[in-house]
Amino acid sequence: GNSVTQMEGPVTLSEEAFLTINCTYTATGYPSLFWYVQYPGEGLQLLLKATKADDKGSNKGFEATYRKETTSFHLEKGSVQVSDSAVYFCALDTNAGKSTFGDGTTLTVKP
Amino acid sequence: NAGVTQTPKFQVLKTGQSMTLQCAQDMNHEYMSWYRQDPGMGLRLIHYSVGAGITDQGEVPNGYNVSRSTTEDFPLRLLSAAPSQTSVYFCASRRAGVETQYFGPGTRLLVL
Repeated sequence: GNSVTQMEGPVTLSEEAFLTINCTYTATGYPSLFWYVQYPGEGLQLLLKATKADDKGSNKGFEATYRKETTSFHLEKGSVQVSDSAVYFCALDTNAGKSTFGDGTTLTVKP
Repeated sequence: NAGVTQTPKFQVLKTGQSMTLQCAQDMNHEYMSWYRQDPGMGLRLIHYSVGAGITDQGEVPNGYNVSRSTTEDFPLRLLSAAPSQTSVYFCASRRAGVETQYFGPGTRLLVL
């Protein structure tokens, strides 16, 4: 079956530090890949996505590149802010309505 | 657009009680899904629907029932609540052929 493995958290960084959250996947076929963000007390929001190999998704300074050869979709940001503190989920989708999520990585950014 | 709405926001049940978690969307999305989120874990799919009258099981369907009589609504029923069903429940919807899902704000359920 499909699976997503994320870097274990929690991750604590100082403001303006570089962020990487690793994500690797196992899937049959050619999945679409996503990063979602969840702020405290809220539902998940789509952060970025990539639908085919070598695509780069980007939003709000975050980036992730779909690497088929390494089955990875690592999330990066060059300079994090306190407002980026949240839980980040990597996910894949191969069939309508059946997404597979990673366990989530909690990011805390300190001033 | 209200997007995806869920009610109630919080519920406490006793073991053995039944209840229905409501989910509605006003975006005319064909696909709707229910997930549960447990501490330290990602979202796990309970049930999903690709259109009115069509539902299917996800990863963890036991103890839950769903129906989809209209495009807008996708209620989740707990037939006999158990402490293991204590969780946060999220409903999501999306348009057919589009990968992006839209999530509701969640229902926090505590089963004593």
